[in-house]
Amino acid sequence: EVQLVQSGAEVKKPGESLKISCKGSGYSFSNYWITWVRQMPGKGLEWMGIIYPGDSDTTYSPSFQGQVSISADKSINTAYLQWSSLKASDIGMYYCARLSLVSDGFDIWGQGTMVTVSS
Amino acid sequence: SYEVAQPPSVSVSPGQTARITCSGDALPKKFAYWYQQKPGQAPVLVIDEDSKRPSGIPERFSGSSSGTMATLIISGAQVEDEADYYCCSKDSSGNHWVFGGGTKLTVL
Repeated sequence: EVQLVQSGAEVKKPGESLKISCKGSGYSFSNYWITWVRQMPGKGLEWMGIIYPGDSDTTYSPSFQGQVSISADKSINTAYLQWSSLKASDIGMYYCARLSLVSDGFDIWGQGTMVTVSS
Repeated sequence: SYEVAQPPSVSVSPGQTARITCSGDALPKKFAYWYQQKPGQAPVLVIDEDSKRPSGIPERFSGSSSGTMATLIISGAQVEDEADYYCCSKDSSGNHWVFGGGTKLTVL
């Protein structure tokens, strides 16, 4: 079964660092782009950026450039989303998703990771 | 920055046809993708490249695009189709994706 499994919910304080993960299975992880999408509580989807695990080529949304870091370790079929210093406004559900090989649609989604930032 | 606009809500009775629109300046040259998100669940791709239905998506879901507007059509909407629907396309540079604000579909 093709799937993306994300790491569990996190509760952090402002200023702390955080790295969440997205592990792919059932397909050739290195050959598919992985994207990250934010959903703040009660709000819509926001595209954050995308990475190609094969060579770590990465593109960020201008809205998220410099705010987060996207990386991947193809040896363990895992992509990451990282913050060096969390803010209260980083609260939200974060989804990873796979980009289709034949279109620009995101065909497989992880279950989401909830990030709570509170002092 | 590029924006994709959707109506906040659409309401239909069961069995009626629901139409959800999406407008964006890049749509004449870029495909629209539609995602369904039910409460507490991850999004699901229901329409690919303007009008293609992925495997497993019911035939009542279809899509079209003309000029700067794309449309998701649910023919004979069911109660289980109640969800938030998001349009997504790439911007004119082709390097970034943008989601619309989402449309809440009510079927009752």
